[in-house]
Amino acid sequence: SYELTQPPSVSVSPGQTARITCSGHTLSKQYSYWYRQRPGQAPVLLIYKDRERPSGIPERISGSTSGTTVTLTISGVRAEDEADYYCQSADIDGPYVIFGGGTKLTVL
Amino acid sequence: QITLKESGPTLVKPTQTLTLTCTFSGFSLSTSGVSVGWIRQPPGKALEWLALIYWNDDKRYSPSLKSRLTITKDTSKNQVALTMTNVDPVDTATYYCARSERDCNIVACYGDRWDYWGQGTLVTVSS
Repeated sequence: SYELTQPPSVSVSPGQTARITCSGHTLSKQYSYWYRQRPGQAPVLLIYKDRERPSGIPERISGSTSGTTVTLTISGVRAEDEADYYCQSADIDGPYVIFGGGTKLTVL
Repeated sequence: QITLKESGPTLVKPTQTLTLTCTFSGFSLSTSGVSVGWIRQPPGKALEWLALIYWNDDKRYSPSLKSRLTITKDTSKNQVALTMTNVDPVDTATYYCARSERDCNIVACYGDRWDYWGQGTLVTVSS
């Protein structure tokens, strides 16, 4: 079955840049999406179509892609960025929706 | 303003059938490219997509759960329902409904963005 692989955790100090990767063989053929989920809350869409931001998402949050790996970059990390982050894409055979295993971002 | 809200039982016994309803407002499930789907999250674990239904009544299911799931829509009531048969304690999770839009160019579609989510409803499977 198709999978998206994320690191379980990433830690950064306030003001630094956090990069969260997501790998999967169809990421070069399908769009990627990123969500933030704070404890006890529903996920929020941060990035769509690899690098587009919905209205209300700040420019310090960005997405990029290189082959079969996509990256979520958060610049100038703040305490409020501490959350779980999920990538999402599609299995072209379905299309089926696939979520990555999630990455817990810790702000030191 | 787009909103979605899940409703259904909070406690279900093993082997029973679970039915959840998503009631939404602020958009129409008759609009081309729009779908409503279900995503669940067991306590402390990752998101897992379950099913979606498109504006044209096309339905998609997670391959691992396909035999147990049925998704339907009532466009006039702005509701989408998910039925899961033969539940097990491992199905204990927060169940979210969400709206998506297909992302397409002139050639094809390459994904669905889940842009609005309900608050989620915790379903516990236990005897």
